[in-house]
Amino acid sequence: QKEVEQNSGPLSVPEGAIASLNCTYSDRGSQSFFWYRQYSGKSPELIMSIYSNGDKEDGRFTAQLNKASQYVSLLIRDSQPSDSATYLCAVNMEWGNNRLAFGKGNQVVVIP
Amino acid sequence: KAGVTQTPRYLIKTRGQQVTLSCSPISGHRSVSWYQQTPGQGLQFLFEYFSETQRNKGNFPGRFSGRQFSNSRSEMNVSTLELGDSALYLCASSLEVRPYEQYFGPGTRLTVT
Repeated sequence: QKEVEQNSGPLSVPEGAIASLNCTYSDRGSQSFFWYRQYSGKSPELIMSIYSNGDKEDGRFTAQLNKASQYVSLLIRDSQPSDSATYLCAVNMEWGNNRLAFGKGNQVVVIP
Repeated sequence: KAGVTQTPRYLIKTRGQQVTLSCSPISGHRSVSWYQQTPGQGLQFLFEYFSETQRNKGNFPGRFSGRQFSNSRSEMNVSTLELGDSALYLCASSLEVRPYEQYFGPGTRLTVT
């Protein structure tokens, strides 16, 4: 079983719609969870961090964490063409160091 | 505040050579992690340094090594390069406070021919 899985294929959403991305992780003891956005040819950019069960909102982004079900999701409201990118889910599974395990990413395409 | 910087940005090497990549973290960040990104494997953890000590290591061969200096700057070295080492090498820095958010540099694109 992979440590972090993002199984959805490319996601196409119309401008103004909600994009929903999901991620599952294998280690029940994981503590910190992150979403990164990566534009083509660029490095990952941190957009959300969450470490308590529930929702965390930041602008048009909402991260949701459910530790019992071992999943974390990202909602992008009012999607804009500038949101077209690959979104990477990352999980810190160990206290005391900063090793992040990444999913393979989900490509989001916002259609004007 | 300046972000993470990495040098060089692009590098072309031939098989068998060695390469050294450099990373300067965000000011005040003492943890530096290195990742390799390839289309097939995605982002994979190489190692992390904190206070000049390697704190964690990923599942890479011993040809991959690193070090950290007293000013938190870090270098990674790859010896005896193989074609499969062609990748984007990313450095990330973080503070030692929860939730240990990591900020990535622009990366070094290494091509091995």
